[in-house]
Amino acid sequence: NAGVTQTPKFQVLKTGQSMTLQCAQDMNHEYMSWYRQDPGMGLRLIHYSVGAGITDQGEVPNGYNVSRSTTEDFPLRLLSAAPSQTSVYFCASSRTSGEEYEQYFGPGTRLTVT
Amino acid sequence: QKEVEQDPGPLSVPEGAIVSLNCTYSNSAFQYFMWYRQYSRKGPELLMYTYSSGNKEDGRFTAQVDKSSKYISLFIRDSQPSDSATYLCARGIKYNTDKLIFGTGTRLQVFP
Repeated sequence: NAGVTQTPKFQVLKTGQSMTLQCAQDMNHEYMSWYRQDPGMGLRLIHYSVGAGITDQGEVPNGYNVSRSTTEDFPLRLLSAAPSQTSVYFCASSRTSGEEYEQYFGPGTRLTVT
Repeated sequence: QKEVEQDPGPLSVPEGAIVSLNCTYSNSAFQYFMWYRQYSRKGPELLMYTYSSGNKEDGRFTAQVDKSSKYISLFIRDSQPSDSATYLCARGIKYNTDKLIFGTGTRLQVFP
């Protein structure tokens, strides 16, 4: 049971390049989400998904795309990287059952855009 | 006003102390309240969650929600150096809990 895995761990991009951050979970969780964490800003929701084929925007979606073709995978695509997207990106998966809640975060991807 | 306010600290306490970490929130529609622990350069770890008001206890940790004053607290008893981390609060809406709004985190240091 690997939990939530993210690749790569580190990435440096030049302005204008595109890339995909990978996220996978093996817990059969229906919810998955992407956050970015910046100093002094806390975690901010980028996009989330309530199940395969269903995604929605979070607080800061501009410049990012997502898709969810399987329950396990939820990749985040940067279309044209900008220095403002320099951040640490965390993927999370979760499950609710009545009032019970279970959530796990991945180890993060540190992205620098020059 | 931010939806969730949290004192950034740092908060420095001696080992064995009782720690009180607090957040205030502005939107009374939210039902779920969470506390996370984040060690340096690691992902957040869900510590505790509460639904609506009241207290919840888990070992040395107690989470408390006061909806009348829009105040949430995390108490850590018998604090240990291994508790040194950043603690994040968050709130969500029932059945849509992945639309979470986070506070900025409080850095806690427990010294031996």
